[in-house]
Amino acid sequence: KNEVEQSPQNLTAQEGEFITINCSYSVGISALHWLQQHPGGGIVSLFMLSSGKKKHGRLIATINIQEKHSSLHITASHPRDSAVYICAVGLVIFGNQFYFGTGTSLTVIP
Amino acid sequence: AAGVIQSPRHLIKEKRETATLKCYPIPRHDTVYWYQQGPGQDPQFLISFYEKMQSDKGSIPDRFSAQQFSDYHSELNMSSLELGDSALYFCASSQGGLLEQYFGPGTRLTVT
Repeated sequence: KNEVEQSPQNLTAQEGEFITINCSYSVGISALHWLQQHPGGGIVSLFMLSSGKKKHGRLIATINIQEKHSSLHITASHPRDSAVYICAVGLVIFGNQFYFGTGTSLTVIP
Repeated sequence: AAGVIQSPRHLIKEKRETATLKCYPIPRHDTVYWYQQGPGQDPQFLISFYEKMQSDKGSIPDRFSAQQFSDYHSELNMSSLELGDSALYFCASSQGGLLEQYFGPGTRLTVT
């Protein structure tokens, strides 16, 4: 069983739609990352959360520590948002590893 | 702003050869993480260093070794390469007391 579960695994949306990607984890964490990876490309950290909610442009990330759940929302989706979105959780600081979710492959159709 | 630098960006090696991947963290970052991402797979944590000491170890094969140097850059040494070692190798850095990791662009290793 993965420590981190994401849903859905694959998502196709029309341009302009509101998108939600969910992440649930089973371990105690200090922080959660939402990462973006374009095909064949590097990983970009979108957000790091330890509580509450963060917003950056059209992206919003929320976390509920008690429920061990986080969501990534994309408003007014655009084809350039097409990528794999990965949730990663960290247990403690000072170099301890992060556990990665299985990723959600998002395709936004014009 | 300076980002995490990895070199080389692409590397082609033959089976049983040796490869060395380098990671240069963001200035003032003292923690380095190495991840391996096979084709179509999730990134897997290999190893991390904090202040030049190994701090955590994941699924790193015994054929691989790594270290962090006095200038905080890190090198991942891979020996007796196998076809299954073909992957994208990411390095990330952070400031030890902070949790936010910054990822490098990755090194794509192809073993033929």
